[in-house]
Amino acid sequence: QKEVEQDPGPLSVPEGAIVSLNCTYSNSAFQYFMWYRQYSRKGPELLMYTYSSGNKEDGRFTAQVDKSSKYISLFIRDSQPSDSATYLCAMTYNFNKFYFGSGTKLNVKP
Amino acid sequence: DSGVTQTPKHLITATGQRVTLRCSPRSGDLSVYWYQQSLDQGLQFLIQYYNGEERAKGNILERFSAQQFPDLHSELNLSSLELGDSALYFCASSVEQLNTEAFFGQGTRLTVV
Repeated sequence: QKEVEQDPGPLSVPEGAIVSLNCTYSNSAFQYFMWYRQYSRKGPELLMYTYSSGNKEDGRFTAQVDKSSKYISLFIRDSQPSDSATYLCAMTYNFNKFYFGSGTKLNVKP
Repeated sequence: DSGVTQTPKHLITATGQRVTLRCSPRSGDLSVYWYQQSLDQGLQFLIQYYNGEERAKGNILERFSAQQFPDLHSELNLSSLELGDSALYFCASSVEQLNTEAFFGQGTRLTVV
């Protein structure tokens, strides 16, 4: 079983939709949770990170962590075509090793 | 532009060969991470260096090795290459040893034929 599971998609939504991206994990020791966005042929870029359980909002993006269910989510409000990318969740318990999901490909149609 | 520079961008080589991938971290960053991204395995952490010393090891094969030099650039050496080593190899850097905000380079695409 992989440490981090993520639905690969692709997920196709119309412009303006609310997007929900999710990951589940098996290691309860994970404390820090991150979301990366990766455009085609580019390296991942950090979108948000959260510590332990709770919500964190940054503009149109909201990250949510439910440690009791070992489940994290990224919500994108008012999605734009420029949000079309692959979204990777990542987590760590010691900052030395990061465990990534396989990524969900998102396509926002104009 | 993240400020992390990886060379070369593309590399095509034959099975059994050895290659070296290079990474220059962002100015001031002491920590360098190497990742492998393949279609079937996703992004896999390989190894981390901090200020010249190895700090953490992930799923790095014995055929692979890395080092970080005094000027903080890092090299990833891949030897006895196999077809399955074909992947994107990313380098990331961060200021501290323990830092959630690591910046990724654009990657080196390795194709083993």
